[in-house]
Amino acid sequence: DAGVTQSPTHLIKTRGQQVTLRCSPKSGHDTVSWYQQALGQGPQFIFQYYEEEERQRGNFPDRFSGHQFPNYSSELNVNALLLGDSALYLCASSLAGGNYNYGYTFGSGTRLTVV
Amino acid sequence: DAKTTQPPSMDCAEGRAANLPCNHSTISGNEYVYWYRQIHSQGPQYIIHGLKNNETNEMASLIITEDRKSSTLILPHATLRDTAVYYCIVRVGSGNTGKLIFGQGTTLQVKP
Repeated sequence: DAGVTQSPTHLIKTRGQQVTLRCSPKSGHDTVSWYQQALGQGPQFIFQYYEEEERQRGNFPDRFSGHQFPNYSSELNVNALLLGDSALYLCASSLAGGNYNYGYTFGSGTRLTVV
Repeated sequence: DAKTTQPPSMDCAEGRAANLPCNHSTISGNEYVYWYRQIHSQGPQYIIHGLKNNETNEMASLIITEDRKSSTLILPHATLRDTAVYYCIVRVGSGNTGKLIFGQGTTLQVKP
C-alpha cells in the first residue's frame, strides 16, 4: 500500500523563478493538504484541496497556488521565489469521510532551496 | 496562531517511560489533539489523537486533562529509535478535512 509520494525530493531554484511540486496521495485518500516547514520550525498549513477545489487556506500570499487533479494528485506552485521560501514542503493526504483513526498521512517532503 | 506549547527538549533513558507534556489552553470544544513525530526531517508520522478521553494504541498513550487545557503523550518503554521531534497539534475544523496547527515541538533524546 503506497503512502504519500512527493516529487522531486530536492530542488534548487534561483530567486524570482517559479517552481512546481507534486504529490500523489495515499491510495484511497481524496484530500490533499500542503505544509511549509522552515528549518527548525513546525510545519505551517498552506492550503487544502478536496474535489479539485481549494477548501481552506493558511496565511500565505497569492504567490502560492495549487491544483488537484481528478485522480486526487496535487501540485503546489510558487511564483516569484524569495530566499525565505526555502523550506521543506510537505504534502498530507486524508479521506474526507473516513474515520479518524489514522487521519493524515504525510509524505517525506520536497526540500526547496532558493539561491 | 500556534495553539500548543511544548518544552523544546527532553531526555529519557532507554527502557524507561517518556512523558511529553503539552499545553493547549485555548483549545475549543470540538478540536482534537494529535501527536506526530518527525525523524531527521522526514515526513511527520502519526502517533495518536484524542478529544477528551484518554487514548491508547500500540505506540503510545494520550492523557488529556478534564479541562482539556493540557495533555501528556506517554511512550511506555522508550528505545533509541524513539529519538525524534514530537509535535503536539490541534486540529481545527471537522473530520479529516481539518487543518493541523503545529507547535514548535519537543526534541526527545533517548539515551542508552
